Amino acid sequence: EAQVTQNPRYLITVTGKKLTVTCSQNMNHEYMSWYRQDPGLGLRQIYYSMNVEVTDKGDVPEGYKVSRKEKRNFPLILESPSPNQTSLYFCASSPRGGSLNGYTFGSGTRLTVV
Amino acid sequence: AQKVTQAQTEISVVEKEDVTLDCVYETRDTTYYLFWYKQPPSGELVFLIRRNSFDEQNEISGRYSWNFQKSTSSFNFTITASQVVDSAVYFCALSQNPDYGGATNKLIFGTGTLLAVQP
Repeated sequence: EAQVTQNPRYLITVTGKKLTVTCSQNMNHEYMSWYRQDPGLGLRQIYYSMNVEVTDKGDVPEGYKVSRKEKRNFPLILESPSPNQTSLYFCASSPRGGSLNGYTFGSGTRLTVV
Repeated sequence: AQKVTQAQTEISVVEKEDVTLDCVYETRDTTYYLFWYKQPPSGELVFLIRRNSFDEQNEISGRYSWNFQKSTSSFNFTITASQVVDSAVYFCALSQNPDYGGATNKLIFGTGTLLAVQP
């Protein structure tokens, strides 16, 4: 089944404790992206990657890092999480030219930083 | 700059009523894509439709229909005879058309409309 897999689904952590949210896709998509969803703000792009070893900042990159060493994986790293990073996170992928079915999203990761 | 506005924060209807969710967008691009996504209470994002800016034909899929009007930069979504299962947050989104050179695949979302359908 074609899908984007995010882990974990839920995570509660403490301020300053480094964490990684994993994202993996099995569709050989070139493009991958991370979004965060906050009430009243919709989804905002954090980082994106157009291909292996090619990443760039989105609209809200502060406090996050990403890497794209393999085509299928695009982990989101929070080196020192803070409470304002409490949010619902989505990973998405698509072929470079977009897709008739839009973008494929993961199931989301609900992160709480206390 | 690109922007998507969903002015309706919350809508509440009674089952079997028709409901229209508004979406207004801004872009300087001449070619672009518009999307609607549904987010049920379980939280995942469900793709509903993609519309190319070249194609202004309205689309109907079962109880769902979409009205794209380039002249008013709107892409409204109507649910006919709403059902409790339609209760969700609905997002409108915009992206550049990657077929027309240099664009990223970035999706720009509106803030969403929470639709509550009461039995």
